[in-house]
Order: sequence, then structure tokens, then C-alpha cells
Amino acid sequence: GENVEQHPSTLSVQEGDSAVIKCTYSDSASNYFPWYKQELGKGPQLIIDIRSNVGEKKDQRIAVTLNKTAKHFSLHITETQPEDSAVYFCAASKIAGTYKYIFGTGTRLKVLA
Amino acid sequence: ETGVTQSPTHLIKTRGQQVTLRCSSQSGHNTVSWYQQALGQGPQFIFQYYREEENGRGNFPPRFSGLQFPNYSSELNVNALELDDSALYLCASSPIGGTNTEAFFGQGTRLTVV
Repeated sequence: GENVEQHPSTLSVQEGDSAVIKCTYSDSASNYFPWYKQELGKGPQLIIDIRSNVGEKKDQRIAVTLNKTAKHFSLHITETQPEDSAVYFCAASKIAGTYKYIFGTGTRLKVLA
Repeated sequence: ETGVTQSPTHLIKTRGQQVTLRCSSQSGHNTVSWYQQALGQGPQFIFQYYREEENGRGNFPPRFSGLQFPNYSSELNVNALELDDSALYLCASSPIGGTNTEAFFGQGTRLTVV
């Protein structure tokens, strides 16, 4: 069935360093890939997304890359700050029919000051 | 803030009881999806409502049911609660149309079944 694997499950980086989170999806028909940040006690917040017709997208310190052939996509955070500490989820979806998201299991990012 | 509001924020129920959770979608959004997020896990799709009709369902039993109202707000009902139903229940609204697929989540309802 449809599945999204996410690695690593936890990630600690020093403030100012970069963080990379990787996801792999199983359904080759997936064509929309959002990333969410979830802080303690809150709902997931959309931080960036990418569609399958684009290989890379950047928004300030955050970037996402997509390799359709390998069915991999990654989140890159540069110049990390303590406020980047949270749980990050990747997801995969199809722009058609039911817009359900298949989520990864999450990465807990800790940025050490 | 996403403009998606859920109520209540916390709830404690006894096994076997029934519960109703509510969601108000973001202005202009006509689609509401519900997700269950167990502790330490990613959200899992329960079902989606579009124009007051169910528009897809995940792997959840029929005791999970829902409604969408003309103003696009939605309810999630769970009957015969089980201990494993304890989770954060998330509502997400989307502006379906064209190629828009962004989903914006509310803060969730934390359900504890004892």
C-alpha cells in the first residue's frame, strides 16, 4: 500500500549548522509533497511544499528537493536557530480525487544553542 | 494561525462512550479532512468531506463517521470508544479547485479514553 518512510527519527544540530531530513514514498502517482512543522501542543504547520514538475524549491532558509525517479524528497534547513526545534513531518499526496496525505513518522529536530 | 479552529481542545471519555469533535474550516475552504495522530506518530487519514459528502476514507472502522455542514464546518463522531482511540484528532481544511492542494491544520483535539 501507500507508504512514506522518513529518516532520521531524531536529529540534533548545533545552532547555525544545517539539518537535512529525508523521505521516500512508494506510490509513483504521488505528485504533491508538503512538509509540516509541529510544535508541542499544536497542530502541524505547513512550511514548504513541492510539486512533481519541480526538482527544487527554496524559501529563505528552507529548501526542498525532489527526485521522482528514486521517489525521494528531502527538507534542508540552513543556519538553524533554536526556534527551528520541533517535529517535522513529510507527506505525499496526489493532485486528483481524494486529497489525502500519507505522512511520514516524523523527525524530532533539536537545535542546540 | 491557520484560521482552522477545533473544539474542544481536550476531552476525556470512558470506553464504550460516544464523542463528537468539531471543526470550523478556514474561510473560503470547501474541503475538510480528519486525521488521527497517535503519540509519536504521523497523522493518519480518517476521511474527507467535500460539499457535504464523504470524499474518500482511510482504513478506519464504520464507528468513525462524519458530517459537513453548508458553511463547510465539520464534525467527527466516534462510537463505542476504545482505549486505542486515544489520540490527537486533527482537522485540515483545503481550498479544492484547480491544482490547489494545500491543507491547513487546526490545533487538534486531544482525546483520552479511559
